[in-house]
Amino acid sequence: GENVEQHPSTLSVQEGDSAVIKCTYSDSASNYFPWYKQELGKRPQLIIDIRSNVGEKKDQRIAVTLNKTAKHFSLHITETQPEDSAVYFCAASMGTGNQFYFGTGTSLTVIP
Amino acid sequence: NAGVTQTPKFQVLKTGQSMTLQCAQDMNHNSMYWYRQDPGMGLRLIYYSASEGTTDKGEVPNGYNVSRLNKREFSLRLESAAPSQTSVYFCASSEADRSYEQYFGPGTRLTVT
Repeated sequence: GENVEQHPSTLSVQEGDSAVIKCTYSDSASNYFPWYKQELGKRPQLIIDIRSNVGEKKDQRIAVTLNKTAKHFSLHITETQPEDSAVYFCAASMGTGNQFYFGTGTSLTVIP
Repeated sequence: NAGVTQTPKFQVLKTGQSMTLQCAQDMNHNSMYWYRQDPGMGLRLIYYSASEGTTDKGEVPNGYNVSRLNKREFSLRLESAAPSQTSVYFCASSEADRSYEQYFGPGTRLTVT
């Protein structure tokens, strides 16, 4: 099956700095790569996703890049704010109706 | 529009007891999923249902059974609970065609003593 590895496990940044979280996957058949944000005690919520026919996607301060050859994708958050503090999970899948494989999470702390 | 709902929110079981976790969605989604979340382990898929009438094992199915009762409801059963099943359980659903986004329920915190 698919194996998703996520780094780092914890990340602290100063407010206003950028944060980058990286994931690798093993199954070249995976074609959908979402990122979820989970605040303490809450449910995971999708913040951005990318499909394998696209190399980069941006939504305001958040961007995701995908390198299919290297089987690697990354989340970039610019101009970080204290409310960005949360646990972030990457995942890989062949899409709805198939299994989703999640990384082990990155705990991001934004220091005011 | 309630989205994905789960009951109960909290549960404490003794080893060997059984229980069923309930999940329902009102978004007319085809696919539904059950995950467990343990510290440092991320979300691990227990079972999923690609569409009404089908169920498949995920990464960690041992000790669990599921039922896709209809398009709205997907239940998870623990027949004989063990301390290793202490976890937070999340149900999720997704639409098959336009978007792959998974919508999660609020979770059930289960403790087995």
